[in-house]
Parts: sequence; structure tokens; C-alpha cells
Amino acid sequence: AQSVAQPEDQVNVAEGNPLTVKCTYSVSGNPYLFWYVQYPNRGLQFLLKYITGDNLVKGSYGFEAEFNKSQTSFHLKKPSALVSDSALYFCAVRATQTGANNLFFGTGTRLTVIP
Amino acid sequence: SQTIHQWPATLVQPVGSPLSLECTVEGTSNPNLYWYRQAAGRGLQLLFYSVGIGQISSEVPQNLSASRPQDRQFILSSKKLLLSDSGFYLCAWRLTTWPTAPDTQYFGPGTRLTVL
Repeated sequence: AQSVAQPEDQVNVAEGNPLTVKCTYSVSGNPYLFWYVQYPNRGLQFLLKYITGDNLVKGSYGFEAEFNKSQTSFHLKKPSALVSDSALYFCAVRATQTGANNLFFGTGTRLTVIP
Repeated sequence: SQTIHQWPATLVQPVGSPLSLECTVEGTSNPNLYWYRQAAGRGLQLLFYSVGIGQISSEVPQNLSASRPQDRQFILSSKKLLLSDSGFYLCAWRLTTWPTAPDTQYFGPGTRLTVL
């Protein structure tokens, strides 16, 4: 079985400060991990993914995420937050036991960047 | 490039009425297709997925059904809507051709359904 935990429902950060959105996972075998962002009343947009290779993954809009196997974490980071980064962020892990390689999503973290 | 469309964008329906939501993908062949429901602006619940025409797998037993009459068309239906069917419905697709992004799902803009 696989699961994803996003321990913070809400993260507030001041504009210009670094931001971190946390994600931990549990999966059998090698994890495939993803981050998505959702703006109000919109679909999810793909930000980045980790499949293999370098533990630091760079994605869209200046976001990056660090895969840490020993801590089973995949935290999303950005060096300097923008007000426009305010949105709902989802971490996801690929399920390894279904025919369509389904993604299993966390419950989401709402990021608010304060001007 | 690939694009995904969903319609309608918003829908208000009375309890007991039928439902049909449509999702189409352009620019790819034989994609995996998915229907998700998002309640109260938070977590996503996978409802159905499809690996090919006429092939539907249900993740959660419920009042809804799905069909895939064409390769790039995915339809979510109900014969009689319940209040609990209200939510934001998202369609997604995934390439099945290695090695390009084999696991990333791409989402449509969603349909906001309100059942009164």
C-alpha cells in the first residue's frame, strides 16, 4: 500500500522569504513522487517529479523539491516566495499495484504568501 | 502539443436528475484517462480510470459511472444525482508511450457541480 502525508493544512510565509511545503510518503519499492499546484477553481498543474537520479529536482516557476530516502520525504521549496505562489499544493506518489499506474494524492497544503 | 478539455465548466442540477460530464484529450493516442472528485477544495478522490476504449475501472463504489466510447473521450454519468455528488470534478490523462513522462498526469480545468 502507498500513502502520502502533508502534515500542514496551511502554510503562511512573507513575500521574499523562503518557503517549504512538507510531504512524507510510504510506498513499496522505489517511489515516483510528484508535486502539483492548484489555483482557485482550476485544474491541477504539474510542477515537478522525482523518478530517479539527483535528489534535488527543479521544476516550474522556480520551485524545487528534495527527495530524502532515509526520511521518506519530498518537501517542496522555493528560495523567495511570491504573492502569486499562493495556492493549494498537492504531493502525490505513484501507486505500484494498479494497472494504470495511478497517482495517490495527499490532502493538500494551502500556501498563503503575505505581501 | 496535448490539450485536455472538460465541459461544462459549471453545472447546477436538482437532486434526482441525470448527469453527463465530458472530457476529451487532443494531441495524443491511447492515453490513460482518469476521473477525480475534489470535495470542499481539498483532497482528490480517484473515481474511475481507463486504459483503453471500453475499459473502465472503478475505485470507489458510488452513484456514478464512466464510459470511454472513443480513444480520447471519457464521460462521467449518473442516472440520479444525490446531494453528496456535489463537488469539483477533474479529468486527467497520462501518456502511455515510453520514455516521455510515463507517469505524469495532466489535468483538465474541471467542472464545478452543485446538486440542489
